Amino acid sequence: ETGVTQTPRHLVMGMTNKKSLKCEQHLGHNAMYWYKQSAKKPLELMFVYSLEERVENNSVPSRFSPECPNSSHLFLHLHTLQPEDSALYLCASSQDLLVGGGQPQHFGDGTRLSIL
Amino acid sequence: AQTVTQSQPEMSVQEAETVTLSCTYDTSENNYYLFWYKQPPSRQMILVIRQEAYKQQNATENRFSVNFQKAAKSFSLKISDSQLGDTAMYFCAFMKRRGSQGNLIFGKGTKLSVKP
Repeated sequence: ETGVTQTPRHLVMGMTNKKSLKCEQHLGHNAMYWYKQSAKKPLELMFVYSLEERVENNSVPSRFSPECPNSSHLFLHLHTLQPEDSALYLCASSQDLLVGGGQPQHFGDGTRLSIL
Repeated sequence: AQTVTQSQPEMSVQEAETVTLSCTYDTSENNYYLFWYKQPPSRQMILVIRQEAYKQQNATENRFSVNFQKAAKSFSLKISDSQLGDTAMYFCAFMKRRGSQGNLIFGKGTKLSVKP
C-alpha cells in the first residue's frame, strides 16, 4: 500500500451532480489536508484536520464539504460545483500538528476533477 | 501574510550537469521551515529537502542541496549530476514554526526538464 491513496483518480461531473473524493493514509498520521492545484497558480490549502477535528478552513465555498470520520480517512463532498472548480485535488497527511510545525506532508496522487 | 516567489516558470538542463532553482519568500516570522517538493508528471508530490530557519547549515540530500540566505529571504535548490528522473515541477514552500496549523505556503513552481 502506498502512503496516501486517493480515489477516484479522475472524475467528470455536471454542475448539478453530487460526488465525493476519498483519501486514505496508511502512515499512522494524525493530520490530514485537502489542497486544490490549478494550472499556473500555487497550491491552495483548503482544509486541515487534526485528530479528526477541522482546524483550518481557508475561505472555501460551501459547495465543498469535508468529512474526517477517523484519522486515516478524509472525504471531500462536492455539490453544485462551478467550471472554475475544475482542478487537481490533492490530499496530504503529516504526523501531528500538536508537536509544532515543520513536519513534512505526504501527498497522494490526486483526483483530476473536470466540471462540465 | 507570507508569500513565496519562484521567478523561473521553466528551466532545462543537460543530463549530468548542475542546475539551480530560485526561491524567495516574504515573512515577518523569525522561526520557520522551508521545503522543496518535487512533482513528476502524473505522479505524487514528494519532499525533496527541508530546512529549519534557525539552523545556519544548509540542508543536503544526496544530489540535492540548498543555499539558504536568511537575511536575503532566499532559498535556492541546487541539483547536481542531473538525471532524467529529475524532470518534474519543483515547488518551494514555507511554514511558520508556531501556530501554522500545518499551513504550507507554496510558490507557483518551476518546471524542470532534464535533456539527454
